[in-house]
Formats: sequence, C-alpha cells, structure tokens
Amino acid sequence: NAGVTQTPKFRVLKTGQSMTLLCAQDMNHEYMYWYRQDPGMGLRLIHYSVGEGTTAKGEVPDGYNVSRLKKQNFLLGLESAAPSQTSVYFCASRLLGSWINSPLHFGNGTRLTVT
Amino acid sequence: KNEVEQSPQNLTAQEGEFITINCSYSVGISALHWLQQHPGGGIVSLFMLSSGKKKHGRLIATINIQEKHSSLHITASHPRDSAVYICAVDTGNQFYFGTGTSLTVIP
Repeated sequence: NAGVTQTPKFRVLKTGQSMTLLCAQDMNHEYMYWYRQDPGMGLRLIHYSVGEGTTAKGEVPDGYNVSRLKKQNFLLGLESAAPSQTSVYFCASRLLGSWINSPLHFGNGTRLTVT
Repeated sequence: KNEVEQSPQNLTAQEGEFITINCSYSVGISALHWLQQHPGGGIVSLFMLSSGKKKHGRLIATINIQEKHSSLHITASHPRDSAVYICAVDTGNQFYFGTGTSLTVIP
C-alpha cells in the first residue's frame, strides 16, 4: 500500500495563478482532510470530507475549494493564489471517526510558494 | 484562543535521558493523538488514546480526561528521537493541533 500520496511535492506560483493539489489514498478511508502548516502555528484545517461526494469547511477555508468525487481522492484548489497562501500543505486520512481505533495517516506534504 | 497547549516548545536532552512532553487542552474530546514530524517534514501517528496509558517500545503516552492533560514520555532517549512532537485532540470529525515540541537529543 502506498498510503497517502500528495502531488506535487513543491510548487512556485505567481500571484493570481491557479493550481490543484491532489491527495490520493489507497486504504479505503472515509475521512480526508487538508491542512496547512505555518511557522509557529499548529496545523490548521482548511477543508475536510467525511465521505465520497461530501465536503465541509474547516478553520481557514477562504481562498480554497475542494472536491471529493471519488472516495480515494481529495483535491484542493487555489483559484487565485495569494502570497498569504505560501505554506506547507498536508493531506491526511483516517478510516472513520474516533469511536474506533482510527489514527490519522498523513501525506508527505506540498511546499507551495506564492510570489 | 488555543484549544491545545504544549510544553515545552523546545527541548534539548543528552542521549539516555528520560523526556516528558506535556499537552493540555480545553475542548471536549473523544480521543487524543500524538504525532511525530521528522526534519524531512513527514508526519506519522505515534498514539491514539482516549483513556489511561499506551506504550510502544520506549514511548509511553498517558491521558487524564478529568484534568484534560496528556503526557508523552520517551525513555532512554536517542538521537534518532530528534523530531517535532505534536499533540492533537480529536473531537470526532475534526482535530485541533498543538504547535509542537521540538526535541533535539545530543549524543
């Protein structure tokens, strides 16, 4: 099993450009999450999904959109990138909620720089 | 407002020392997770616990639900334990993360 795979690993964008980050998991997990990690701050939730076809906003959703058309994929889109979106982005997944032993599995991260 | 507070922020230890990292939280939780982030950036889950204590090798995690506090202990620390350790509280659908404790173990 590959686990959670994020692409790309690195990206540099100019202000106003758009891009899509792809997260793929092969563990049949229901829950998927997109986080951003900034220096001095904990991981912050952008959007999440509790199943195929469902998405919900997290703590910092502005400027991002997501889609979960297939259970194994969770896409994060930036329609018009801004320098404030410079960050490291992590995708994570878990089998179900916390009522079963369901740890988080993380991708290796995408380092995005917006100039 | 920080739902999760970790201490210390930075920790330097000599190889072999016993290490404790603390986590306090203010929200109702269904579970608490300890994560490890290596210098390369990857994050792995160490523990998920909702009560009592768990042990994996030299790592021990404890939680006191009444006091809303958890600790991560590392016995006989080793340079390969150098990493950032992150506490995350699990409300069922969402997580709240601490800012991490950066641990450096010197040979």
